[in-house]
Amino acid sequence: DQQVKQNSPSLSVQEGRISILNCDYTNSMFDYFLWYKKYPAEGPTFLISISSIKDKNEDGRFTVFLNKSAKHLSLHIVPSQPGDSAVYFCAASSTSSNTGKLIFGQGTTLQVKP
Amino acid sequence: DVKVTQSSRYLVKRTGEKVFLECVQDMDHENMFWYRQDPGLGLRLIYFSYDVKMKEKGDIPEGYSVSREKKERFSLILESASTNQTSMYLCASSFNRQGGGIYEQYFGPGTRLTVT
Repeated sequence: DQQVKQNSPSLSVQEGRISILNCDYTNSMFDYFLWYKKYPAEGPTFLISISSIKDKNEDGRFTVFLNKSAKHLSLHIVPSQPGDSAVYFCAASSTSSNTGKLIFGQGTTLQVKP
Repeated sequence: DVKVTQSSRYLVKRTGEKVFLECVQDMDHENMFWYRQDPGLGLRLIYFSYDVKMKEKGDIPEGYSVSREKKERFSLILESASTNQTSMYLCASSFNRQGGGIYEQYFGPGTRLTVT
């Protein structure tokens, strides 16, 4: 039972354009969401997060939007750069948990073409 | 700067061998995690630990065990390696927010294990 789903395995965009990566979740107990970026042969690195009390969080070129009623979040990258080419994972968690456990999606491979 | 290190970047083992993967973090994090990453399946949690000598099963613990004798070190053990355990193994750590809440996890570089 996949509680966090990234339905697009891959995405290709032109440099300078917007990249939109999507993520859906099923567990209504999830109230904290994170995006990680992973380059080949490296571990994932934290990118941006959002709490369910917000519907938007912005950090430079990266913005995460949360639609709680649809159980959907998206990561927008504007403008996209070739260095953004990587695998992006969304993750979800419940803040009532004392374990810090995250549930990850399958990942979306983003390719930004020069 | 948080540092999570893993003992090997690449490992090749034979079927039936006992395999030890070591992970060390230097930020005094309470929580430590072991994941495996496979194409199309994302990161799946094998085991995690929220304190020394404490461990809990994740989503796919079968065929694995763990050990946490010191706060900074978390070991993943494959008791008898099989070819379906060929994968990328990632270790992560995080603080434990008292009373609930989430801190982001910091990951090591990963160990690419091949079982032949």
